Amino acid sequence: QVQLQESGPGLVKPSETLSLTCAVSGYSISSDHYWAWIRQPPGKGLEWIGEINHSGNTNYNPSLQGRVTISADKSKNRFSLKLTSVTAADTAVYSCARGRLTAEYYFDYWGQGTRVTVSS
Amino acid sequence: EIVLTQSPATLSLSPGERATLSCRASQSVSSFLAWYQQKPGQAPRLLIYDTSNRATGIPARFSGSGSGTDFTLTISSLEPEDFAVYYCQQRSGWPFFGGGTRVELK
Repeated sequence: QVQLQESGPGLVKPSETLSLTCAVSGYSISSDHYWAWIRQPPGKGLEWIGEINHSGNTNYNPSLQGRVTISADKSKNRFSLKLTSVTAADTAVYSCARGRLTAEYYFDYWGQGTRVTVSS
Repeated sequence: EIVLTQSPATLSLSPGERATLSCRASQSVSSFLAWYQQKPGQAPRLLIYDTSNRATGIPARFSGSGSGTDFTLTISSLEPEDFAVYYCQQRSGWPFFGGGTRVELK
């Protein structure tokens, strides 16, 4: 069974960098698929942040381009998110998920999500 | 970029009733779509992928259909645990989600 678990600080100060890690068990991130970050601001819908694939290639939401970096540590089977220069608008529940491409692209496994608040 | 519009925003129904949720894409970029269910305090759960395929462990009362720009999620007979928010999703360049439909107890 594939499992994903987010970890990281729940409070980040404005202008600082948000850093989260997603530990994956039950599947090697080096094998296949995409490994994504998705966020949900309070009371709002879902927003894709970006992804890294099994080869280490990354894609990012253009609205966040320049502030976001996703990397992978294959030896520990985990991947990470860094979002710089955060503001209150970045307050959200951040989830990691596995992206899978068949006829269409979808997310078949999700972490529980971790709440991050941007506040001084 | 595509916009996925879900309707209605809220659906008020009773257990045992049929729920029909709509997702309309602003342009036809794919004939396929995914649906997710989200309950309060939980991550979304994949229900349907590639428009009509149920994900592992999803009951048969959930079904998906559609093509082009119009897609539908149908719950044939609502169970108490089905009251939740439902999202549709496609990828055009990058993944997009609809705004969600809340299925609430009438």
